[in-house]
Amino acid sequence: EPEVTQTPSHQVTQMGQEVILRCVPISNHLYFYWYRQILGQKVEFLVSFYNNEISEKSEIFDDQFSVERPDGSNFTLKIRSTKLEDSAMYFCASSPLIGQVGETQYFGPGTRLLVL
Amino acid sequence: AQTVTQSQPEMSVQEAETVTLSCTYDTSESDYYLFWYKQPPSRQMILVIRQEAYKQQNATENRFSVNFQKAAKSFSLKISDSQLGDAAMYFCAWAGNEKLTFGTGTRLTIIP
Repeated sequence: EPEVTQTPSHQVTQMGQEVILRCVPISNHLYFYWYRQILGQKVEFLVSFYNNEISEKSEIFDDQFSVERPDGSNFTLKIRSTKLEDSAMYFCASSPLIGQVGETQYFGPGTRLLVL
Repeated sequence: AQTVTQSQPEMSVQEAETVTLSCTYDTSESDYYLFWYKQPPSRQMILVIRQEAYKQQNATENRFSVNFQKAAKSFSLKISDSQLGDAAMYFCAWAGNEKLTFGTGTRLTIIP
């Protein structure tokens, strides 16, 4: 069964450094998402992406964040200058249909980011 | 803004017994979907069940079923014949547009 994959599974970085989190969505999916889960808290929406542009973003997704689909398979989240509070689990998700309300989103296994 | 509330931070159930996890939500939308996701210790988010708000019939997936009360904005998850592998955090989520809005989760422990 196709699945969303994410690399790396764990990343440790120094405050102020740039990190790039990578995701490979399910191949025929069209909508891509990033979510964040700070330890012990709920999962929060960051951004959705369709047709090579941001479709919606939350207030968390400020100027230090960016997303890109550099080729036909990868979907990346870049954090330009990491802060301690960026430490979290970052989930990528994808869904097959174009902006369908309630279309199931399939999640990757997550990248655990630790900022020191 | 839509909100999702899970009032039970922790629940436990004896193996083979039935447990119900509660979820309420607040929305002014008429067309939306509700989900339950399971997050085991590996922290992967796994879809358990999905419910369309316009359908009166409650969704069922094997041992998992929901009790959807649209007027009360309630969406509880029933797990029958609980198994050790059901131990996880369970998140209720609402979707009326592209993004999912999650509750704070319920940690389910299975007692052997």
